[in-house]
Amino acid sequence: DAGVTQSPTHLIKTRGQQVTLRCSPKSGHDTVSWYQQALGQGPQFIFQYYEEEERQRGNFPDRFSGHQFPNYSSELNVNALLLGDSALYLCASSWDRSSYEQYFGPGTRLTVT
Amino acid sequence: GQNIDQPTEMTATEGAIVQINCTYQTSGFNGLFWYQQHAGEAPTFLSYNVLDGLEEKGRFSSFLSRSKGYSYLLLKELQMKDSASYLCAVREAGGFKTIFGAGTRLFVKA
Repeated sequence: DAGVTQSPTHLIKTRGQQVTLRCSPKSGHDTVSWYQQALGQGPQFIFQYYEEEERQRGNFPDRFSGHQFPNYSSELNVNALLLGDSALYLCASSWDRSSYEQYFGPGTRLTVT
Repeated sequence: GQNIDQPTEMTATEGAIVQINCTYQTSGFNGLFWYQQHAGEAPTFLSYNVLDGLEEKGRFSSFLSRSKGYSYLLLKELQMKDSASYLCAVREAGGFKTIFGAGTRLFVKA
């Protein structure tokens, strides 16, 4: 049983560019949350997707957007990249009926130069 | 406001017991989590408390006092592999947002 997978593992982008990160949830899970984790900090909630809709959002600007597909996989898009967007981006999946138990993917390390 | 406080770093000796404290002030409460995160890896779920009291799971136990906004994670019989960051996180009431503390880096020495 595959756990949560994310791609790519690492990514280097230039300021002003756009990036798309991908996440496949654990088998049987229907809910995907995205987090940003800066070095030495805890993860910060970006948003959560359920039934292909964004159902809650954290304190992130509109440059951060997402999508969930019918197979429950998800994408995180970040436009107009800033140096401060450099971080580890984590995807976590859960089953809505038991949403307290989140499983995290290995993350995508984004570096903006 | 929303705030979760935990010590930045702790050091303990192999075989000993360590307690990592967490205090929180959040907009409502719907459960407290502890996660373990090794350097360069994803957080892994350790425990979930929604009612007051102690939850024990092998070498790890977690305690919650909702009236005090306080929790602790107790690690017994420390092993070198327990060297990691331990993240305290709170699920807000009425929503799906989980707020994480900055984490406590635990160093286990021989």
